[in-house]
Amino acid sequence: GENVEQHPSTLSVQEGDSAVIKCTYSDSASNYFPWYKQELGKRPQLIIDIRSNVGEKKDQRIAVTLNKTAKHFSLHITETQPEDSAVYFCAAINTGFQKLVFGTGTRLLVSP
Amino acid sequence: GAVVSQHPSRVICKSGTSVKIECRSLDFQATTMFWYRQFPKKSLMLMATSNEGSKATYEQGVEKDKFLINHASLTLSTLTVTSAHPEDSSFYICSARDHRGGEKLFFGSGTQLSVL
Repeated sequence: GENVEQHPSTLSVQEGDSAVIKCTYSDSASNYFPWYKQELGKRPQLIIDIRSNVGEKKDQRIAVTLNKTAKHFSLHITETQPEDSAVYFCAAINTGFQKLVFGTGTRLLVSP
Repeated sequence: GAVVSQHPSRVICKSGTSVKIECRSLDFQATTMFWYRQFPKKSLMLMATSNEGSKATYEQGVEKDKFLINHASLTLSTLTVTSAHPEDSSFYICSARDHRGGEKLFFGSGTQLSVL
């Protein structure tokens, strides 16, 4: 089955800096890659997603890149703000099998 | 957008009792719902896939007799933790996909279970 690895586990940046979180997946059949932001005790919130037929997607300060050949994808947050502090999870799914597999999570801390 | 309601949000119970958690899709129909478990500072681990009108599919290592799943309608799935023990204490969260298609999963707000 699918296995998703995520790095780093913790990331501390200063406000205004950029943050990059990287994930790798094992199943070449995975074709949808969402990213979630989760605050303590809350539900995961979808912040951006990318499909396997696209190499890059951007939404304001957030961007995601996908390298299908290498089977890795990354989340880029620019001009970070304290309210970006949370745990971020990448995930991968083969929509034919429906199961969404999460990465191990990255705790992002943005200091003012 | 699509809303998934999950209740209760928090439950404290004595060891040996059973606890039922409900997951409802409020404005869409969900033929498939998923139940996840999350330990503190850990990732979400898929426990089972709940299919409307049929038996749930459990992930390896998840006891089906311990975690009973019922998906009796297109908008409701329930997870019952039977004979709960302290090691069952965790954050349980459901998610659902709109039966009309699309890849996005919509998550419930989660249930924090504490077994004394």
